[in-house]
Amino acid sequence: EDKVVQSPLSLVVHEGDTVTLNCSYEVTNFRSLLWYKQEKKAPTFLFMLTSSGIEKKSGRLSSILDKKELFSILNITATQTGDSAVYLCAVGSQGKVIFGPGTSLSVIP
Amino acid sequence: EPEVTQTPSHQVTQMGQEVILRCVPISNHLYFYWYRQILGQKVEFLVSFYNNEISEKSEIFDDQFSVERPDGSNFTLKIRSTKLEDSAMYFCASSEQGIGYTFGSGTRLTVV
Repeated sequence: EDKVVQSPLSLVVHEGDTVTLNCSYEVTNFRSLLWYKQEKKAPTFLFMLTSSGIEKKSGRLSSILDKKELFSILNITATQTGDSAVYLCAVGSQGKVIFGPGTSLSVIP
Repeated sequence: EPEVTQTPSHQVTQMGQEVILRCVPISNHLYFYWYRQILGQKVEFLVSFYNNEISEKSEIFDDQFSVERPDGSNFTLKIRSTKLEDSAMYFCASSEQGIGYTFGSGTRLTVV
C-alpha cells in the first residue's frame, strides 16, 4: 500500500531557529514529491521535486529529494511566527496524490 | 496568478440530501482531482479525472460519489444521500501535466 510518512508530527521552535522536516515514502509509479503549507484552509504550494539531489530554494525555505532512499527534507532557516502552519508532504503517483499526515510547526516569539 | 475556484465556500446540508460541489480548474489544465480533509485529519485523495473520464479513484469514492465535467470549465463533485461522516473540507485541484497540482480554497461541507 502506498504511504507517505512525515516526522516529526509536531514541532515547537523559537523565532530564528532552523528546522528540518522529514518525509519518507513508499509509492509505486512515483512521479513527483510536493511540499505544501497549510494554514487555515487550502494547502499552498511550496515545492515540487522530481529529480534526486537538486535543491530547490525559495527564500528561507529549501528542499531536496533522494529518490534512492525515498525521502525528502524541507528546511526552514531563521524561522518567523508566520511560518507557523502544517507542512504537508505529498507524493504524486499515476493518477493521484498521496498525502502524509503533516508536520505541525509552531514558531513562538 | 491563475487559480482554482471552488463554490460554495461553505455548505450546510441535512443528512440524506444530495450536494454538488463546484470547481473551476485553471483553464489550460487537463487533470482534475477531488480531495477531502476531515477536521484534524490528513488530506485524502478521492478521485482523478482526465480526458473526460475517471482515471483513478480511492476506496472512499464509492457509489455515493460522482464527478462530472458538464461543460468546458466546471468540474463537479456530487455526493448523494449525505451522511454525517461526509462532513469535511473538500478540495478541488488541477494540474497541467499530472505532476504539479494547484488546489482551490476548498468547500467546507457540514452535514447535520
